[in-house]
Amino acid sequence: NAGVTQTPKFQVLKTGQSMTLQCAQDMNHNSMYWYRQDPGMGLRLIYYSASEGTTDKGEVPNGYNVSRLNKREFSLRLESAAPSQTSVYFCASWGSQETQYFGPGTRLLVL
Amino acid sequence: AQSVTQPDIHITVSEGASLELRCNYSYGATPYLFWYVQSPGQGLQLLLKYFSGDTLVQGIKGFEAEFKRSQSSFNLRKPSVHWSDAAEYFCAVGVSGGYNKLIFGAGTRLAVHP
Repeated sequence: NAGVTQTPKFQVLKTGQSMTLQCAQDMNHNSMYWYRQDPGMGLRLIYYSASEGTTDKGEVPNGYNVSRLNKREFSLRLESAAPSQTSVYFCASWGSQETQYFGPGTRLLVL
Repeated sequence: AQSVTQPDIHITVSEGASLELRCNYSYGATPYLFWYVQSPGQGLQLLLKYFSGDTLVQGIKGFEAEFKRSQSSFNLRKPSVHWSDAAEYFCAVGVSGGYNKLIFGAGTRLAVHP
């Protein structure tokens, strides 16, 4: 049981480049989430997916898109990266224990 | 709107001393409350959670938290801090509604002096 996995662990982009952050969970959870973490601001919800086939905006969705590919996978796409998107990105899933389980994070630097 | 406030950005304690990290929330209904810990460069690990029942909740690593509805607080405590407790601690409130979003506080960074 790997839990929640994220790829890549680190990424450096130039302004305007695009990339997709991958997330997968093997716990058969319905709900999945993408957060960004910035110093002094805690974690802020970007997008979430209550179930396969549905996605909704969170607190800070601008500049991002998501895809719930299947029950296991939930990807986050930056179409045109900006320096303001430099952050640590966490994927999470919500389980039957009424708890969110977090992945190890992706550190993104946009130059 | 729902919100979580952690008033202390940084706290420093001596090893063996007691610890209390403060958390205040704003939420209209009965909240789901959580404390997570994040070690440097790591993801978030759940310490404990409160949904209902006994207002004093025991968690992992010797932590406990007390839910006080009258004060809208969910403070985290530990009677004797170990050097390995140095980390960042996040309080969160769960917004129920079928999707269970979490709203996080800004975090409290704990330093432990030997």
